[in-house]
Amino acid sequence: NAGVTQTPKFRILKIGQSMTLQCTQDMNHNYMYWYRQDPGMGLKLIYYSVGAGITDKGEVPNGYNVSRSTTEDFPLRLELAAPSQTSVYFCASSKTRQGREQYFGPGTRLTVT
Amino acid sequence: TQLLEQSPQFLSIQEGENLTVYCNSSSVFSSLQWYRQEPGEGPVLLVTVVTGGEVKKLKRLTFQFGDARKDSSLHITAAQPGDTGLYLCAGGRETYKYIFGTGTRLKVLA
Repeated sequence: NAGVTQTPKFRILKIGQSMTLQCTQDMNHNYMYWYRQDPGMGLKLIYYSVGAGITDKGEVPNGYNVSRSTTEDFPLRLELAAPSQTSVYFCASSKTRQGREQYFGPGTRLTVT
Repeated sequence: TQLLEQSPQFLSIQEGENLTVYCNSSSVFSSLQWYRQEPGEGPVLLVTVVTGGEVKKLKRLTFQFGDARKDSSLHITAAQPGDTGLYLCAGGRETYKYIFGTGTRLKVLA
């Protein structure tokens, strides 16, 4: 049981490039989340999903897109990367309706230069 | 925008000391979670409190949810170097979303 896995662990992008951050969970959780964490700050919700085929915006969705074609996978797409997107990105999943007991992946550290 | 403010931002103490960190908001939450995050890793859930006034104990850690469900505290007794990390609170409402606080970075010196 691997829990929540994220790839890649590190990535450097040039301004204007695009990339997809991968997230997979093997706990059969319906709810999945993408957060970003800037230095010295808490986590901010980018997008979330309550089940396959259903996604919704969080606090800071601009510049990102998501899809949820299966229960297990919840990729995050960055189009036209900007320096403001330099951050650590965490994917999380939870089983219960109110998002309790979120399980987090190890994170992806992204630098845009 | 809902805000969850944590205090202090940084705390450095000697092994064996007691400490309390706080999580405050002007908003009411249906539940509140505390996480600990170590460098290079994702946050790990410590506890969820859901009832105003609720107190939960986890070994040397005591968590309290305020009566009005707007604030919470985490008290650590006899801190150990293994308690070092970033402590995050997260408030939940009647949706699927949690608002995270800014965190308290704790360092316990041996």
